[in-house]
Amino acid sequence: GQQVQQSPASLVLQEGENAELQCNFSSTATRLQWFYQRPGGSLVSLLYNPSGTKHTGRLTSTTVTKERRSSLHISSSQTTDSGTYFCAVGYKLTFGTGTSLLVDP
Amino acid sequence: AQTIHQWPVAEIKAVGSPLSLGCTIKGKSSPNLYWYWQATGGTLQQLFYSITVGQVESVVQLNLSASRPKDDQFILSTEKLLLSHSGFYLCAWSLTGQNTLYFGAGTRLSVL
Repeated sequence: GQQVQQSPASLVLQEGENAELQCNFSSTATRLQWFYQRPGGSLVSLLYNPSGTKHTGRLTSTTVTKERRSSLHISSSQTTDSGTYFCAVGYKLTFGTGTSLLVDP
Repeated sequence: AQTIHQWPVAEIKAVGSPLSLGCTIKGKSSPNLYWYWQATGGTLQQLFYSITVGQVESVVQLNLSASRPKDDQFILSTEKLLLSHSGFYLCAWSLTGQNTLYFGAGTRLSVL
């Protein structure tokens, strides 16, 4: 089955810094979605991006399907960006291991 | 607008007791419905999915069962809870032909 690894496992930034989150998967996929989960909360859909580059607000996702990888770039991070970021890949949307982001003021 | 409602918000249950968690989707007919489980600090694991009333596919065996008695309702249950059932249960929906997945607020379950 699909294996999804995310890196880094955790990341600490100062407010205003940029973040780059990586998602690598074992099989080519036609579905890929990025989610955000605040501590103790549910998941919020950020971007659906199975290929190419997509933007929304301060978020940019780039997926290179042939290389089985996707990235999520967060620009000018804010304390409210703190939480865990997941990518989910493939027909069954297998979830990755997550990246825990802490943005300090 | 579509809304997804999960109940209860939280449960504290004893080992060996029964459990029933519910999920209701309003605003769209024939959604694809999913149950996910998340251990504390862990990733999400898909448990069940359903593309139509009365049909449920099991993805992972965790001594749980699921049913879809109505188009807009998805139920997760077990007759005997285990300690390992503790965690965060999330219901999600998508539409056939539209690939984005949307989650409910979740139910936090503690089994003691």
